[in-house]
Amino acid sequence: NAGVTQTPKFRILKIGQSMTLQCTQDMNHNYMYWYRQDPGMGLKLIYYSVGAGITDKGEVPNGYNVSRSTTEDFPLRLELAAPSQTSVYFCASSFRTSGGQNNEQFFGPGTRLTVL
Amino acid sequence: GIQVEQSPPDLILQEGANSTLRCNFSDSVNNLQWFHQNPWGQLINLFYIPSGTKQNGRLSATTVATERYSLLYISSSQTTDSGVYFCAVARNTGNQFYFGTGTSLTVIP
Repeated sequence: NAGVTQTPKFRILKIGQSMTLQCTQDMNHNYMYWYRQDPGMGLKLIYYSVGAGITDKGEVPNGYNVSRSTTEDFPLRLELAAPSQTSVYFCASSFRTSGGQNNEQFFGPGTRLTVL
Repeated sequence: GIQVEQSPPDLILQEGANSTLRCNFSDSVNNLQWFHQNPWGQLINLFYIPSGTKQNGRLSATTVATERYSLLYISSSQTTDSGVYFCAVARNTGNQFYFGTGTSLTVIP
C-alpha cells in the first residue's frame, strides 16, 4: 500500500513551458486535492475532485488544469509556466462517506517546481 | 470558507520542555487533523481528531468541537520535533479542507 505518490520530485521549467504533475493513490479514496505551498506559507487549495469525472476549483486555480479519469489518478497540468508558479505542490486524498463524514486526509511527498 | 487560526506563530523551546499549540476555527467541522511538516517538507499525519482526546507517545491532542478549538500538546520536546505544525479542518457540508497558517517550532539542544 503505497498511499499517495507524486512524480516528479523536482522540476525546473522555463517561462512559457508546460508540464503535468502526476498523482496516484491506491487507497480507493473518492476525494483528491492539489495544494501549493509557497516558501514560509501554509497550503492553498488549487483544485479538488470528489470522484472520477468531477473536478472543481479551489482558492488559486488560475494557470492550472486538472482531470480525473480514474479513481486513482489526479494529474495537475501547468500551461505557460510563470515564475509565480514556483512552489511546492502537494497532492492529497481522503474518503468522504455518503453520509458526509470527512475522513483522514493523506498527503504525497510533494513536487518542488521552479520556473525560471 | 472556514477561518483557521493557529497560535503561537513561532515557538522556540529548549529540549525537554513541554508546549501547547492551539487551533481555533470559525465553523462547525466534522474533521480536524494535525500535521507535522518536517524540515524536509514532508507532511506527516499526527492526529485525526474531530472531537475528544487522543495520545500518541509524547504527543496528545484534544478537540472541543462545541467551542471550536483544538490543542496539540508536545511533552519532553526533542530536536526532531522541529518543523511546522498545521491544523486542518473540514465542515459537515462542503468538500474542502481549510488549513491554518501553522506554528513553527524550533527545539534547541
